[in-house]
Formats: sequence, structure tokens, C-alpha cells
Amino acid sequence: GAVVSQHPSWVICKSGTSVKIECRSLDFQATTMFWYRQFPKQSLMLMATSNEGSKATYEQGVEKDKFLINHASLTLSTLTVTSAHPEDSSFYICSAPRDPEAFFGQGTRLTVV
Amino acid sequence: GDSVTQMEGPVTLSEEAFLTINCTYTATGYPSLFWYVQYPGEGLQLLLKATKADDKGSNKGFEATYRKETTSFHLEKGSVQVSDSAVYFCALRSSGYSTLTFGKGTMLLVSP
Repeated sequence: GAVVSQHPSWVICKSGTSVKIECRSLDFQATTMFWYRQFPKQSLMLMATSNEGSKATYEQGVEKDKFLINHASLTLSTLTVTSAHPEDSSFYICSAPRDPEAFFGQGTRLTVV
Repeated sequence: GDSVTQMEGPVTLSEEAFLTINCTYTATGYPSLFWYVQYPGEGLQLLLKATKADDKGSNKGFEATYRKETTSFHLEKGSVQVSDSAVYFCALRSSGYSTLTFGKGTMLLVSP
């Protein structure tokens, strides 16, 4: 079946630095990818929709300057957390739709110290 | 807008017990319905799906039937195992490239 690969699976960074998370669709092309954030024991919160060849669409309350999304090709989307702070620590998950379902990356555990 | 409501957890069961996790939805048109499972520290894995009314999705002993008349997609398993302990998310998708709408998730804890 279709596979979405997300990298890294975990990362620890210092406050003020930036972290890039990659999401790749391995055996299909994804013109759209979704980025979610998940807090402990909570559901997934959609942060933004990444569109190949155009700007990402951000959900209300998500800072676009903090969470930079680039959909460089039909198989790669990246999320960069800029100037990270401890409150950005979370589990980030990407997803690529392939009708009728969606495939998820393994998730990235970000810890900002 | 679309929404998914699923029973709150945690659901605590003994091994070999019967499992039901309720899920109801609100959506326009004819959405596709899904159950995803998330094991600790991992992403989401598709457990089963149904794309039209009266379809039954099944996988690994889990089943769910798309009931349009009751707008429900309850997850069932006849005999749970310790390895089934995870968080289960009910979700719907209204159209081909729209995002999924998730329920809040239900944690299942199965003890030996």
C-alpha cells in the first residue's frame, strides 16, 4: 500500500533554533499534504494544508511565520518550526490523501529545551 | 461543518472481552468513514474503512458498518488482546482531497 515517510522521528533542539521536518510520499504523488499537531492524550489538530506549487493554507490561530511549509515537489512537503520555544514541543504528523483514504507519516516528536 | 463524536475513554477491558467503541458523525453528502489506530509514540495507521452506506470494513478482527440512517460507524471486536491497547480514532472525509475530520480518540487498555 501507499506509504508516507516522515523524518526525523524525534528531535531535540535548543530554544531559538529552527527545525525542519520532512514528509515524503514514497510511491504516489501528493499534490496536497496535511500537517497536524497532537498534544498529549488529545486528538489531531490540523495546522495547515500544503499545496504543491502554491502557498500553504493555514488554519485559524496557526502562525504562518513560525510554521513554514514548503511543498517543493509532488512527493515532498516540509514543515520548519522557526525560532522554536518550549511551547512548540509536541508531536507533529503529516498526511497525504489518496482517495478515498489518507496515509500518515510516523510522526515527529519535537522537544525544545 | 463536518464533525465526529466518539465515546470518551479510557476503555478498560480484560483480554478476550468484547469491544465496542461508538462513533457518530455529522456531514453533508456521503462521506467516507475510517477508523485509525495509534500505538504509543507512533503515527496513525488505517485500521479499516467504508466508503458507502451499509459497507462493512474489517481488519485484524475489528469490524465497523457504515450506517447512514443512524449516522454511525461503531467499532467492534469480538475478543480483544493486550496488543490491541492503543488509541482509536474515528474519522470522516467528505471529498477526494479534503482533510480528515477526526473524533477525539478513545484510548483502549487491555489487561491480561
